[in-house]
Amino acid sequence: DVKVTQSSRYLVKRTGEKVFLECVQDMDHENMFWYRQDPGLGLRLIYFSYDVKMKEKGDIPEGYSVSREKKERFSLILESASTNQTSMYLCASSNSRQGIYGYTFGSGTRLTVV
Amino acid sequence: GENVEQHPSTLSVQEGDSAVIKCTYSDSASNYFPWYKQELGKRPQLIIDIRSNVGEKKDQRIAVTLNKTAKHFSLHITETQPEDSAVYFCAARRVNTGFQKLVFGTGTRLLVSP
Repeated sequence: DVKVTQSSRYLVKRTGEKVFLECVQDMDHENMFWYRQDPGLGLRLIYFSYDVKMKEKGDIPEGYSVSREKKERFSLILESASTNQTSMYLCASSNSRQGIYGYTFGSGTRLTVV
Repeated sequence: GENVEQHPSTLSVQEGDSAVIKCTYSDSASNYFPWYKQELGKRPQLIIDIRSNVGEKKDQRIAVTLNKTAKHFSLHITETQPEDSAVYFCAARRVNTGFQKLVFGTGTRLLVSP
């Protein structure tokens, strides 16, 4: 069973802090994604990566950066946290093997910026 | 790029009734359409998906239909039960054409009352 693990379930940070959200998957998936989930807005893609050291901007990358130094780990970085980044953050992974197209999600990190 | 619209945003039904959630997509080249269920406080999980070479797929009480001409697809849940209460997301993407990410709808909150 594929597991996508996010390091923190709940996080409270102060405005201006640098915040790291970590995601680890254990099934050798090539592709990893960071989404934020807000009521009424669904799942919005922040960044994704289809290979080690590769990253691509999603729909709302402003204020975020990512790091993928190892295949299993994809980190989301809030360079200077702001209150409008209070949200639920979901990590997901998928593989590129033929016939398997769905995503597996982590349990999410609820971040509150005060 | 792809755009997915989902309706309704909320849906309330009585236990035993049927529920239908509809999505439309814009990219005629999309050919993979999954549905995810997210229970309160949990991760989104894939419940059913369909490829564009079929028009309907069933799995017990859930079914998905696809109309490629009209570019819409729907989730049907029959004999609803309280445990069906959740947020449901549709999504669309191309497969077999290089890396393409899933584009999600904004979600439907389904409430099944006993």
